Amino acid sequence: AQTVTQSQPEMSVQEAETVTLSCTYDTSESDYYLFWYKQPPSRQMILVIRQEAYKQQNATENRFSVNFQKAAKSFSLKISDSQLGDAAMYFCAYRSFLGSEKLVFGKGTKLTVNP
Amino acid sequence: EAQVTQNPRYLITVTGKKLTVTCSQNMNHEYMSWYRQDPGLGLRQIYYSMNVEVTDKGDVPEGYKVSRKEKRNFPLILESPSPNQTSLYFCASSLLGVGTVNEKLFFGSGTQLSVL
Repeated sequence: AQTVTQSQPEMSVQEAETVTLSCTYDTSESDYYLFWYKQPPSRQMILVIRQEAYKQQNATENRFSVNFQKAAKSFSLKISDSQLGDAAMYFCAYRSFLGSEKLVFGKGTKLTVNP
Repeated sequence: EAQVTQNPRYLITVTGKKLTVTCSQNMNHEYMSWYRQDPGLGLRQIYYSMNVEVTDKGDVPEGYKVSRKEKRNFPLILESPSPNQTSLYFCASSLLGVGTVNEKLFFGSGTQLSVL
């Protein structure tokens, strides 16, 4: 079974600085999807960024980018120019390319942004 | 507006009193799913449904039931709630449920359940 590990329960960053959230996963599959979700205090789950495992190029979405290392099974999220609105829980998630539609989530990292 | 609607947003109940959390989507999605979120555990899948009348267990199905009689609705039923089912619950849906390139999972806004 696939597992997702977020080793940083909490992180903090100064406004306008850059922060990197770590995620590693374990799978025997070669094709899969990886996601980062943001959960602000409103509890809404918001998709931040998605990476297809067959793509070598790292995904980017404005200030958010990932460092996808397939061989190392690592999928970190970099937030540049951090803003107060980035403060939230961040969840890394894995989904198989075929078969089960289940998202396997990590335990989350709570990000605090200091003014 | 495309959305997944869960009700209620908050619910306090007592052990053993049957309850239903409703979930409805207006996007004609085939796939629907329930997750529970617990501190330090992330989100875990309870049940999912690939289409009407087709449901299957996720990782933590014990103590829960679901039904999919209509495409838009996927209620979560707790026949006899217990305190260990106190949690934050999310319903989610997607068009095809398969990991296609542009597939996106839409989440409801969550139901915080407390079982006393």
